[in-house]
Order: sequence, then structure tokens, then C-alpha cells
Amino acid sequence: DAGITQSPRHKVTETGTPVTLRCHQTENHRYMYWYRQDPGHGLRLIHYSYGVKDTDKGEVSDGYSVSRSKTEDFLLTLESATSSQTSVYFCAISAAGGEETQYFGPGTRLLVL
Amino acid sequence: GESVGLHLPTLSVQEGDNSIINCAYSNSASDYFIWYKQESGKGPQFIIDIRSNMDKRQGQRVTVLLNKTVKHLSLQIAATQPGDSAVYFCAAFYSGGYNKLIFGAGTRLAVHP
Repeated sequence: DAGITQSPRHKVTETGTPVTLRCHQTENHRYMYWYRQDPGHGLRLIHYSYGVKDTDKGEVSDGYSVSRSKTEDFLLTLESATSSQTSVYFCAISAAGGEETQYFGPGTRLLVL
Repeated sequence: GESVGLHLPTLSVQEGDNSIINCAYSNSASDYFIWYKQESGKGPQFIIDIRSNMDKRQGQRVTVLLNKTVKHLSLQIAATQPGDSAVYFCAAFYSGGYNKLIFGAGTRLAVHP
């Protein structure tokens, strides 16, 4: 998985609680991404980062925030989890933005009850 | 909006046969494409990529063909093996708005002995 770890790998939480997912990379890649994967929708971009403290929104960013204080770590936070955020979340990295291969982590399976 | 679609949700092949997985994209300006393989419970794994200045690229047992005229690409797997059983995604790079990869929903490849 290209030196990418995600934690936790599985989480069950209740509606209204905050949740933070962590992505850690050992490749020193500049770009990091958070995607969600749902049946029938493929992978959809939530947020991405193009450097420490530099982040931007993707196509499904509502209800999510991110932070990147170190090159190797990218955090995804659900401030108040909802059932619609039940999904599998993948982190990806790339050496550069644009037309560069993105490599994916193993995923976090989140269930919001 | 931009879209990437795979032609068949499921493809069944016999072990040893060649497999062909197809993908269509909507944005004629897309000029970078990636194929990913995703096994159950794992993150997408990079297989092969191709840029628009090429119409064919070969890897180990895999070939990607790109037809820009009809906005179609295909992944060919030679001598399909049981270990090839997985979901295969194509992704097209889209530079409008913010640079991003758009993913298809995936084709499940089932290899039978």
C-alpha cells in the first residue's frame, strides 16, 4: 500500500459524535487526499492537501474538515457524524498534483448508527 | 458533469483466457488515465496508466488501449488467473475547476477454474 497506513481500520459510532480518521504516509509525498467509497458512486473526493497547512475542498466536502500539520499526516474529521457518512474512507497520496498517479491506503470502514 | 463509466458491472472468464474490461469517459480534455484493481477489503491498487499522447501501453500481462476519438479505454489482462479476481476501476484526470481524478463505478472480474 505504498507506505500508507490508516487508523482506525474499523469504527462504529453514534450519530452526533465527532470522529477523526488518520492517514499516515512514509513516502514524503506532497499531496494527500481523502475519498469516500459508496456502492454505485465509485470513489469521490472529500478534501485534499497540497502541502503542510494547505488544504482544499473536493466534491463532497460538506460535513467534513481536514488538517495537515505534518507532511506525513492528514486527518479527516467528521464534526458531528450522520448516518449518511457511513462509508469506506480511503486516503491517497501522490508526489505531485495534477496528472500524477495516486496511491491508496487500506481504508477505514465507518458505521454511523 | 464529468463522468467515467464502465460498460459491464460484472465479467466472468475462465482461467487462462484473456479478459477485456472497457471504460468510457465524457471529458474530451482528459489526458491522463489510470486503471486500478481493488480486492475485497483492500484499497485500490495501481495497475497501469496511460497519457493521451499514447494509444497503447503494456505492462506485465496487462495492456491498456486508449481511443481518444470515441473517448474509450480498455484494460486487457492476458492469461487471466484466479488472483486477478477483483473489481477494476478506470479513472480519468479532469482539470476543470480543480484538478481531480474521476473514477468509474467499477467492473467485477470473476475468474473461474
